[in-house]
This record gives sequence, structure tokens and C-alpha cells, in this order.
Amino acid sequence: DIQMTQSPSSLSAAVGDRVTISCQASQDISNHLDWYQQKPGKAPKPLIYGASNLETGVPSRFSGSGSGTDFTFTISGLQPEDIATYYCHQYDIVPSFGGGTKVEIK
Amino acid sequence: EVQLLESGGGLVHPGGSLRLSCAASGFTFSSYAIYWVRQAPGKGLEWVSDISAGGITFYADSVRGRFTTSRDNSKNTVYLQMNSLRAEDTAVYYCAKKRYTTSSGRRAGLDYWGQGTLVIASS
Repeated sequence: DIQMTQSPSSLSAAVGDRVTISCQASQDISNHLDWYQQKPGKAPKPLIYGASNLETGVPSRFSGSGSGTDFTFTISGLQPEDIATYYCHQYDIVPSFGGGTKVEIK
Repeated sequence: EVQLLESGGGLVHPGGSLRLSCAASGFTFSSYAIYWVRQAPGKGLEWVSDISAGGITFYADSVRGRFTTSRDNSKNTVYLQMNSLRAEDTAVYYCAKKRYTTSSGRRAGLDYWGQGTLVIASS
């Protein structure tokens, strides 16, 4: 099965900062990767699909890039409402999720 | 508007059984695969199972042989039958819809999620 290594597991940044989260797959998954945002007590919310496509209605400060085994999720200008845990999700064959990154405000 | 609504969660003794339901609306249910994903308290997301539009099922190793996923397209509902429950099955269980139709042949993530239902396996 494909393992997803997500880093960091947590981070603290100031409002306006650029935030970057990485996911590394244990084998080539092409662009079969999505990113979700989850706030406490809520279901995950899709943000990015197919590694780099922004969901309709999601602010443009969120972006994704990568292909193959290395993927990056970026918030270009952290806002207070972005406090959440973010997960990558690969669906190449047997699906799996990264361990999550908890984003906090410094 | 796409909606997914889970039900059936609750408290069950270890070794017991529970059946979860996921009622869907707002899309052509019979054309899409549905996932079950769970989240143990304070932990990350774990894929549990999924069922294709045609009823082909897939399971995580941790639940294979104990859980069974099925669907009733006449009721727009997917079920997760959970038997021989263990303490480690305690989690919020979400159902979610795959982004693309099964017939498209495209690999897909999840574009809509339900609100989740809590299962507690404890004595």
C-alpha cells in the first residue's frame, strides 16, 4: 500500500505569513492527490483536487502543486479563519491519507 | 444541493454489531462511488471502505472480514454493516461521494462529505 508522509505535523505562523505543507508518497501517484481542510467537530472540506485544481468557491490564497511523489500545499497569506488541520489524500489505487498538519496562529 | 446524511451510530459492546446508513440526495446516486472514512478521537482520517456505482466493494485491511458495505440505489442509500466491533473501531464515521462517476474511469478524490456519525465500542 502507498504511504503518505505529511509534514510538518503542526505549525504556528503569523497572520499574513506564507504557509507550506508537504506530502510525500511512497511511490508514484501521478496527480491523484487532493487536499482537505478540517475544523474541530466538522467534516473535512475539499480545497484542492488533482494536486493543483482549486475547488469552486475556495479563496485563491490556497494552492497546490506537485506530481509523482512530492506534493506541496500553500496558503499565501494566512488568515485567522484558516486555523484548522489540513490533510492530503491519495487515491491512486488503495486510498490513504496523510497524518495531518495542524495550523495555528502565532 | 448535494447532501449526505449518516445515521446509525451509537454505543456498542466490543464484539457487537452496528449498521450505519448514508442517505444521499442532490445527484445521480447510482452513478457514483461512495467512501466510508473514519476518524478516531483526536486522530487523523482513515479510509475504511468504498463501493463503486456497480456495487464492487473495497476494504481496508483493518476491517476486511468484519465490515460489509452495500448500497440500495432505489433508496439512494449506502450501508456499512459492522460486526465483531473492537475498541479501536471507536471513531466518527463519515460517508463521502467520489468526484467523478464510476463509468468515467477516472481516479477521484471526494467532493462532498456527510457530517459524520459517532460509533463507540466500549464495555
